[in-house]
Amino acid sequence: SQQGEEDPQALSIQEGENATMNCSYKTSINNLQWYRQNSGRGLVHLILIRSNEREKHSGRLRVTLDTSKKSSSLLITASRAADTASYFCATDKSGGSNYKLTFGKGTLLTVNP
Amino acid sequence: DAGVIQSPRHEVTEMGQEVTLRCKPISGHDYLFWYRQTMMRGLELLIYFNNNVPIDDSGMPEDRFSAKMPNASFSTLKIQPSEPRDSAVYFCASSFFAGGPGTDTQYFGPGTRLTVL
Repeated sequence: SQQGEEDPQALSIQEGENATMNCSYKTSINNLQWYRQNSGRGLVHLILIRSNEREKHSGRLRVTLDTSKKSSSLLITASRAADTASYFCATDKSGGSNYKLTFGKGTLLTVNP
Repeated sequence: DAGVIQSPRHEVTEMGQEVTLRCKPISGHDYLFWYRQTMMRGLELLIYFNNNVPIDDSGMPEDRFSAKMPNASFSTLKIQPSEPRDSAVYFCASSFFAGGPGTDTQYFGPGTRLTVL
């Protein structure tokens, strides 16, 4: 079963607006990561949040994690056309020496100029 | 550092042919991952190595797929014989385990787009 699932599947906004994407997962985790993928390119790491953290910021990015609800959100503030990309959450599983990440199918964000 | 390097960037082959994808991880990284991305199935982990040793190959679809890591700076993913359903983008990623529970940041290569006719 899919460990991480993003919602919505697609999001279209105007430049300057905020974009919020959500991720739900099923099992207990150590860390949750968000990645961005521009069309035809590899994934680029954006931010990592650990299971004992509730919120993290990096520039225009804000990530929250609610382990009781097994969910995370990624907020991009003051969006730009260059933010147009697919965004993926990736989770590991707690316990053992497991370094596998499971990726969701992503949210396609389109920022219109 | 040049980042994770993959070759070739594009590969078109005919069904039944052998395909070899190559990856050079970031120097100093001790984990290497091979993924496959398709529209239908998303991004799937095929196999990962730690210090050149395969740790988990449970994602390898079938015996036609094999992966090796002969040294810390090189890995291959081979498909023999290839089939049209193997058409996908294959990514290599590497990471450095900095300690603590769970995973660390993975650095992805640009991918190899494979088309099997």
